[in-house]
Amino acid sequence: NAGVMQNPRHLVRRRGQEARLRCSPMKGHSHVYWYRQLPEEGLKFMVYLQKENIIDESGMPKERFSAEFPKEGPSILRIQQVVRGDSAAYFCASSSGTGQQQLTFGSGTRLTVV
Amino acid sequence: GESVGLHLPTLSVQEGDNSIINCAYSNSASDYFIWYKQESGKGPQFIIDIRSNMDKRQGQRVTVLLNKTVKHLSLQIAATQPGDSAVYFCAENRVETGANNLFFGTGTRLTVIP
Repeated sequence: NAGVMQNPRHLVRRRGQEARLRCSPMKGHSHVYWYRQLPEEGLKFMVYLQKENIIDESGMPKERFSAEFPKEGPSILRIQQVVRGDSAAYFCASSSGTGQQQLTFGSGTRLTVV
Repeated sequence: GESVGLHLPTLSVQEGDNSIINCAYSNSASDYFIWYKQESGKGPQFIIDIRSNMDKRQGQRVTVLLNKTVKHLSLQIAATQPGDSAVYFCAENRVETGANNLFFGTGTRLTVIP
């Protein structure tokens, strides 16, 4: 079981470019969550998706950020026209269903905007 | 509220001693709590969880205590080892959001002195 796979591990973008972060959930998991972490801070919830549906995007900025989890393939977190303030670690987590249960996290993508 | 831009609280313990890491949560409606361990450059790793109908739960070398009256959670690590050095986060599942997303605390950096 490969766990939650995120790629790339490190991503460098110039201001104004687009960043695409990918997440493949654990086998058998159909629920995906994206979190953002600034250095020396906790994880901040961004968005919760199930296959082809966004369930809760209350933590995601309204502009420039979008997320999808298509029927086939990984979940994608997309940041358009990146700015320096987008530099952070972005973690994806997955679970097998609703209800109270632990989330399994990937190793994250560290985005640096130069 | 959330802490932004503050350094993580730190705890230094001697190898072999017991460690106690504390966490205060704000939402009295939260009914499920998890402790995660995050090592440098890695994603959060599940340690132990507890539901609000319990006040204590034990795992291997770890114990979580929940005091709902004062909205306080603690993680006790017995016989702390160098491999326990990491940042520890408590997370709460806020029932009213209707989704299985977790809200993380600021975290505590544990350093084990050999």
